[in-house]
Amino acid sequence: EAQVTQNPRYLITVTGKKLTVTCSQNMNHEYMSWYRQDPGLGLRQIYYSMNVEVTDKGDVPEGYKVSRKEKRNFPLILESPSPNQTSLYFCATQGLAGGLRLEYFGPGTRLTVT
Amino acid sequence: GQQLNQSPQSMFIQEGEDVSMNCTSSSIFNTWLWYKQDPGEGPVLLIALYKAGELTSNGRLTAQFGITRKDSFLNISASIPSDVGIYFCAGSGGSNYKLTFGKGTLLTVNP
Repeated sequence: EAQVTQNPRYLITVTGKKLTVTCSQNMNHEYMSWYRQDPGLGLRQIYYSMNVEVTDKGDVPEGYKVSRKEKRNFPLILESPSPNQTSLYFCATQGLAGGLRLEYFGPGTRLTVT
Repeated sequence: GQQLNQSPQSMFIQEGEDVSMNCTSSSIFNTWLWYKQDPGEGPVLLIALYKAGELTSNGRLTAQFGITRKDSFLNISASIPSDVGIYFCAGSGGSNYKLTFGKGTLLTVNP
């Protein structure tokens, strides 16, 4: 079954404590991205990766890092989390299906930074 | 950057009614996607559109890619309680495949 998995699904942490949210996909997609979702602001792209070792900033990259050492994994790193990074985070992958380019989302990670 | 306006922001309807929502863009898109998000879950792709003027159906859902390539609409016919959720449009127009999302339409269906 085609899947995008994220871990953890829920996380409560304190300001300044480094954390990593993992994302893994089994669809062999080259394109992966991270979004955050906030009330009234919709989905905003944080970072994206068009292939292994190729990453680029999205719309709201400040305070985040990513890495893409292998095709299936795209972890999101918060070196020093702050309360304004409390949000719902989604990993997504994009690839071709039947000649159409489609984007699929993971189940989300709800992060609270106190 | 690209802007997407999605309307309405929310809708309250009775079971059995038809629903329509739309998105307009400040720039041309090559792709329009429509998603549904249930509480606590990730968005799920409903319909994908790739050609201007294209009309595509998925069960009770119908979506169209506007001829100007700056708009799209989604219709839901004969709504049922499980249609409740947030519906998002998303468009892509660049070579980097980046999606721009609307802010969503919250649909409530009263049984």
